[in-house]
Amino acid sequence: SQTIHQWPATLVQPVGSPLSLECTVEGTSNPNLYWYRQAAGRGLQLLFYSIGIGQISSEVPQNLSASRPQDRQFILSSKKLLLSDSGFYLCAWSVRIHTEAFFGQGTRLTVV
Amino acid sequence: AQSVTQPDIHITVSEGASLELRCNYSYGATPYLFWYVQSPGQGLQLLLKYFSGDTLVQGIKGFEAEFKRSQSSFNLRKPSVHWSDAAEYFCAVWYNNNDMRFGAGTRLTVKP
Repeated sequence: SQTIHQWPATLVQPVGSPLSLECTVEGTSNPNLYWYRQAAGRGLQLLFYSIGIGQISSEVPQNLSASRPQDRQFILSSKKLLLSDSGFYLCAWSVRIHTEAFFGQGTRLTVV
Repeated sequence: AQSVTQPDIHITVSEGASLELRCNYSYGATPYLFWYVQSPGQGLQLLLKYFSGDTLVQGIKGFEAEFKRSQSSFNLRKPSVHWSDAAEYFCAVWYNNNDMRFGAGTRLTVKP
């Protein structure tokens, strides 16, 4: 069966520090991968998606970047965090578009 | 513009009472529709999905949803709510691009 792992679960980082959140999927090949951000009391905002190694699409301009160095690995990064980067970050995968997405447990990022 | 609307930010029901959570979307073609549930601090779990066919779909945990094209709606229902159903519920729609768009969510409180 397929599983998705996301870490760390919580993270407190100072403003201006770098960020690296990692997500890996097991039990499937060539998944579509997604990074979402969920602000308090709001829905999910799609940040990045990837349909293959090295193929990253950004949905919103921001202080973050994403990379997909391996087929089942998706990384969310920032060189210098801003206070506004605080939030709950969710990684997800799907077999293809128009099918259900499966979510990791999320990372609670607090920038102080 | 493509959007997903959940009109109710917060709903409170008594345990054992019936539940209906509303979802409306804007889209010209037949959408791919989903309901997810999120417990505090957790990722999202898929409750059910609609792609085509029978407009009444059954999901996990006793939930069902009905797709009504004429109303652009996909409302979630449960005949008898349990205390463990207290959570946040998200409606989601796949649009033609690689973008699963989510509503802002409805928080469900269950009174004993």
